[in-house]
Amino acid sequence: AQSVAQPEDQVNVAEGNPLTVKCTYSVSGNPYLFWYVQYPNRGLQFLLKYITGDNLVKGSYGFEAEFNKSQTSFHLKKPSALVSDSALYFCAVRDRTGTASKLTFGTGTRLQVTL
Amino acid sequence: DAGVTQSPTHLIKTRGQQVTLRCSPKSGHDTVSWYQQALGQGPQFIFQYYEEEERQRGNFPDRFSGHQFPNYSSELNVNALLLGDSALYLCASSLGTGSVQYFGPGTRLTVT
Repeated sequence: AQSVAQPEDQVNVAEGNPLTVKCTYSVSGNPYLFWYVQYPNRGLQFLLKYITGDNLVKGSYGFEAEFNKSQTSFHLKKPSALVSDSALYFCAVRDRTGTASKLTFGTGTRLQVTL
Repeated sequence: DAGVTQSPTHLIKTRGQQVTLRCSPKSGHDTVSWYQQALGQGPQFIFQYYEEEERQRGNFPDRFSGHQFPNYSSELNVNALLLGDSALYLCASSLGTGSVQYFGPGTRLTVT
């Protein structure tokens, strides 16, 4: 069974500083990996995905993520945080095998960016 | 270009009742997936519809059922509501079963 762990319930960072939101996964075979962001009372917005190729993936709003196969991690990063980045972030994994396409999500990490 | 839309936005039901939630996919998408997000949790996969058939199902009881129409829109039905069914129900659409899923704003269901 596939699973995702987001070890931090909350990450606090000052505006202008770099941020990292951690994610580790477990899946049989090679994974598809995703990051989504959720603002209050909103659905999930797609940020970026890893399918294959470069381990550093660039996405929306200046976010990027680094895939590390040996550590089974897919950490979300941004060089300079903005107050408007404050939201709930979810990492998700999808199995490549067969036609299975359900996303399995972590429990989410709340990012708080302060002035 | 309209994104994924869901209706209603909020819904309050009583235990034992039945509810129907609706979803219209993003323009050009043909696959709809449904997720349940309980308070403080990540979304949990309920099922996915493609070509008007349920293609994959998560660990949800038969009280949860769905339908996809020829125009690709979808409904989620929940029978015999329990208090534990209170959650945000998210619909996601994609082009085919394997591409990126884009989510709607959700329907907040409260069961009293």
